[in-house]
Amino acid sequence: QKEVEQNSGPLSVPEGAIASLNCTYSDRGSQSFFWYRQYSGKSPELIMSIYSNGDKEDGRFTAQLNKASQYVSLLIRDSQPSDSATYLCAVNGGGYSTLTFGKGTMLLVSP
Amino acid sequence: EADIYQTPRYLVIGTGKKITLECSQTMGHDKMYWYQQDPGMELHLIHYSYGVNSTEKGDLSSESTVSRIRTEHFPLTLESARPSHTSQYLCASSERTVGELFFGEGSRLTVL
Repeated sequence: QKEVEQNSGPLSVPEGAIASLNCTYSDRGSQSFFWYRQYSGKSPELIMSIYSNGDKEDGRFTAQLNKASQYVSLLIRDSQPSDSATYLCAVNGGGYSTLTFGKGTMLLVSP
Repeated sequence: EADIYQTPRYLVIGTGKKITLECSQTMGHDKMYWYQQDPGMELHLIHYSYGVNSTEKGDLSSESTVSRIRTEHFPLTLESARPSHTSQYLCASSERTVGELFFGEGSRLTVL
């Protein structure tokens, strides 16, 4: 059974701070990794994907991947109240395998 | 903005009724998916399709069925709804990469 683990939170940070969201996965053969943002009552939307070890930056978001440690993280710089949402980590085993989601971490950014 | 549509958005029905949740996308994506999500819980894959006339069951045991007769349409049917089917159902599609999903707005089903 493939598992993706996230701390459910809430993670509370003040506006302007760096929010760090973490995710671990059980399937060592996993190939691709994704972060989705889900606002309350809304559907998930893709914000980052990462496929190789290291960092990937997109605006205020940085995804970090360490396959040896089976660990992926998302950093949000200069956090804004509009970043308050649940962040879902998702992992794919490659090929025609399907996506496995974690339960998500709720992030609260206070003004 | 993704062009994937789900109807109905909200549905309250009685036990034993047959229901079909509709999902359509205008992006020409071959891959389509149905996920179930309960509050505070992870998304569970219940069905997926990688093209016309191709359907597979997902990780979550489900009493629902799907069909894929046209690329753009991927309906989900419950033959006899039960209170345990009460949940949010999310339809998604992707073009190439399995992980890069576009989600519809969801169908919230309540079975009394």
